[in-house]
Amino acid sequence: AQSVTQLDSQVPVFEEAPVELRCNYSSSVSVYLFWYVQYPNQGLQLLLKYLSGSTLVKGINGFEAEFNKSQTSFHLRKPSVHISDTAEYFCAVVQGGSEKLVFGKGTKLTVNP
Amino acid sequence: ETGVTQTPRHLVMGMTNKKSLKCEQHLGHNAMYWYKQSAKKPLELMFVYNFKEQTENNSVPSRFSPECPNSSHLFLHLHTLQPEDSALYLCASSRNRGWEAFFGQGTRLTVV
Repeated sequence: AQSVTQLDSQVPVFEEAPVELRCNYSSSVSVYLFWYVQYPNQGLQLLLKYLSGSTLVKGINGFEAEFNKSQTSFHLRKPSVHISDTAEYFCAVVQGGSEKLVFGKGTKLTVNP
Repeated sequence: ETGVTQTPRHLVMGMTNKKSLKCEQHLGHNAMYWYKQSAKKPLELMFVYNFKEQTENNSVPSRFSPECPNSSHLFLHLHTLQPEDSALYLCASSRNRGWEAFFGQGTRLTVV
């Protein structure tokens, strides 16, 4: 079964610093990959997705992610974070042909002034 | 606003109560989902509906009973819940199964 690993449960950074949130998935077969963000007391909002094509995907709010098939990774990056980026970030994967969207445990990003 | 609306946003219920959570989407999606989000646990998929038919029940206890009267509406009927059922319940929809999901804001459920 497909699984998603987000190694860092919490990531504290200072405002305007770069950040990378790591995500690894278990299967190397055809997959669709997603990053979602959840602000306090809210649902999940899609940040970006990889379905096919270019391995560098750009999303909303200045975030981007790179699909690395050989390392089965889909790390999320932002070159300069803002206080408003403080939230929980979830990586998710759908294996081609499956209906299941499998989520990682999430990474809490805290941006400090 | 994602196009998926959940009501109520907050619910406190006793263990002997019966209540229902409602989810509505007007995105023209064919698949709808219930997820449970508990503290320090990954998102748990509970149920999947595709074209109003239940296609997945992820070993959910019978005290949770879903209902999907049409492709735009999804309910979760609750009865005789336990305190450990307290969580954020998220509804989502997608164009088809396995496509990107759009989430509602969730219902924060507290069982006392």
